[in-house]
Amino acid sequence: SQELEQSPQSLIVQEGKNLTINCTSSKTLYGLYWYKQKYGEGLIFLMMLQKGGEEKSHEKITAKLDEKKQQSSLHITASQPSHAGIYLCGADAGGSQGNLIFGKGTKLSVKP
Amino acid sequence: DTEVTQTPKHLVMGMTNKKSLKCEQHMGHRAMYWYKQKAKKPPELMFVYSYEKLSINESVPSRFSPECPNSSLLNLHLHALQPEDSALYLCASSPIWGAGGELFFGEGSRLTVL
Repeated sequence: SQELEQSPQSLIVQEGKNLTINCTSSKTLYGLYWYKQKYGEGLIFLMMLQKGGEEKSHEKITAKLDEKKQQSSLHITASQPSHAGIYLCGADAGGSQGNLIFGKGTKLSVKP
Repeated sequence: DTEVTQTPKHLVMGMTNKKSLKCEQHMGHRAMYWYKQKAKKPPELMFVYSYEKLSINESVPSRFSPECPNSSLLNLHLHALQPEDSALYLCASSPIWGAGGELFFGEGSRLTVL
């Protein structure tokens, strides 16, 4: 079965600093999704990547999918306290679109 | 309207109780999902409904019984649960099942089984 490995598990950064979160898949990714979750709340969709080499940006967050479609990175520029939360990468399980599996998440704390 | 609404937000029940979690969306989505999330773990898929029919049951114990009475509603009936079933239950929807694309998640129902 497909597995997603996220790193780091947790991250504490000073406000204004840049940071990167990685997501590595054990199999080729057919769809890679980034979500953000605040403790005990629902998941907020950030971005979806499907093509090798694809890169998308929204406000200060950029996500990339590598050419081989097995690794994705999420980069936050000039972090703010509002960026704090748990970032989860998700993938269409085993190529079956619509059944998302998730990595274990990266907990981000931003110190003001 | 781009919301998935879940009720109740919090539920405490005993092991002999029968309760239900409810999920509603009015985006015209025809696929709906239940996920279970234990503390400090990622969400895990439980059920998928496509066009009101159960399409996937990820080997979930029968004490969890899903129901999709119409295209906007998804219920999860709970009976004879165990304390280890305490978790955040997340409902999600998507336009159709099998086409990829983002899932729209509700805020979740936090269940505590005593």
